[in-house]
Amino acid sequence: QTVVTQEPSFSVSPGGTVTLTCALSSGSVSTSYYPSWYQQTPGQAPRTLIFSTNTRSSGVPDRFSGSILGNKAALTITGAQADDESDYYCVLYMGSGIWVFGGGTKLTVL
Amino acid sequence: EVQLLESGGGLVQPGGSLRLSCAASGFTFSNYFMSWVRQAPGKGLEWVSVISGGGSSTYYADSVKGRFTISRDNSKNTLYLQINSLRAEDTAVYYCAKRAADGLKYFDYWGQGTLVTVSS
Repeated sequence: QTVVTQEPSFSVSPGGTVTLTCALSSGSVSTSYYPSWYQQTPGQAPRTLIFSTNTRSSGVPDRFSGSILGNKAALTITGAQADDESDYYCVLYMGSGIWVFGGGTKLTVL
Repeated sequence: EVQLLESGGGLVQPGGSLRLSCAASGFTFSNYFMSWVRQAPGKGLEWVSVISGGGSSTYYADSVKGRFTISRDNSKNTLYLQINSLRAEDTAVYYCAKRAADGLKYFDYWGQGTLVTVSS
């Protein structure tokens, strides 16, 4: 069974930079998994941030960026703001119509 | 403007059934794969199922295979999820999500979700 792992929590200071990662239980994450990232605040639906590894969705500020770092997908927030405090989820496309979400990272900005 | 509006959630007893609906508007519904994603209370997102634009191809997460059935009625621009043999662990907010255009494998629009509570 494929497991996608994210840091359960992370903290960043306002104005700081943070990189959240998304790893596979077996193997490396590559662009072939079409990693995408979603932001969710409590009680709200997810919001699409990044798709196809590093493409920002419409309206997403350029302080959000996606990449492959080593064997993981990564979401970097540069110049974090208070309203970036949210849960962040990655999802990987495993092929054959199957997606797997990571467990999510709760980001605190303080 | 793309809109996705889920309905059909509620309180159901273990072993019961429920059909969720997702009314879509603002895009050519039949051209897009559509998916269901759920989120148990206080937990993360879990992909559940996806269906092709014409409805001929369906895929499921192992955790729901055999109990859940995804379908669509393109004449009504509506996506469905039939959930049978409900268990306590199926308690979750169920979101429908539009998959982006072919070749772009991600979810570009999400509904607000409908809550399913399985309890006696």
